[in-house]
Amino acid sequence: GAVVSQHPSWVICKSGTSVKIECRSLDFQATTMFWYRQFPKQSLMLMATSNEGSKATYEQGVEKDKFLINHASLTLSTLTVTSAHPEDSSFYICSARDRNQDRLHFGNGTRLTVT
Amino acid sequence: DAKTTQPTSMDCAEGRAANLPCNHSTISGNEYVYWYRQIHSQGPQYIIHGLKNNETNEMASLIITEDRKSSTLILPHATLRDTAVYYCIVRDASGGSNYKLTFGKGTLLTVNP
Repeated sequence: GAVVSQHPSWVICKSGTSVKIECRSLDFQATTMFWYRQFPKQSLMLMATSNEGSKATYEQGVEKDKFLINHASLTLSTLTVTSAHPEDSSFYICSARDRNQDRLHFGNGTRLTVT
Repeated sequence: DAKTTQPTSMDCAEGRAANLPCNHSTISGNEYVYWYRQIHSQGPQYIIHGLKNNETNEMASLIITEDRKSSTLILPHATLRDTAVYYCIVRDASGGSNYKLTFGKGTLLTVNP
């Protein structure tokens, strides 16, 4: 079945540094990918919609200059958390739309810890 | 705005059927009902979806009421590995950015030995 690979699965970084998270669709092309964030004991919150070849659409309250999204190909979207702070520590999850199966497939998430 | 209402938690005995309810009384005619689950510290996993007919696949069955205001996800023989948070989501049938899924709080299903 369709698989979405997310890398890294976990990362620890120091405050003020930037972290890049990759999301790849392995056996299907994804013109649209979505980035979510999940804090402990809470549900997934949509951050932004990533469209191949165009600018991402951010949800209200999400800083586009802090969370940079690039969707340069039909199989890869990246999320860069710039100038990370401890409050950015969270579980980041991407998903990709499989048009052939009319559903979203999710990656296994990236646990970010900012010290 | 929450489009779906689910119980916070449910328990089920291993080997028995798990029936997870979901209310979506404001669903419109072009909205699908999707079910995903999330096992601890993993990404959500697709289970099943439907528009108005009942659906069945290798994982579960989805029963949608005739008025489409509620649905039930049925796991026919629950196992310990089915312990997870189950999310019922309604989604607009049109494409593009409307394809995004908005997650509620879901139901924590605990399957007991």
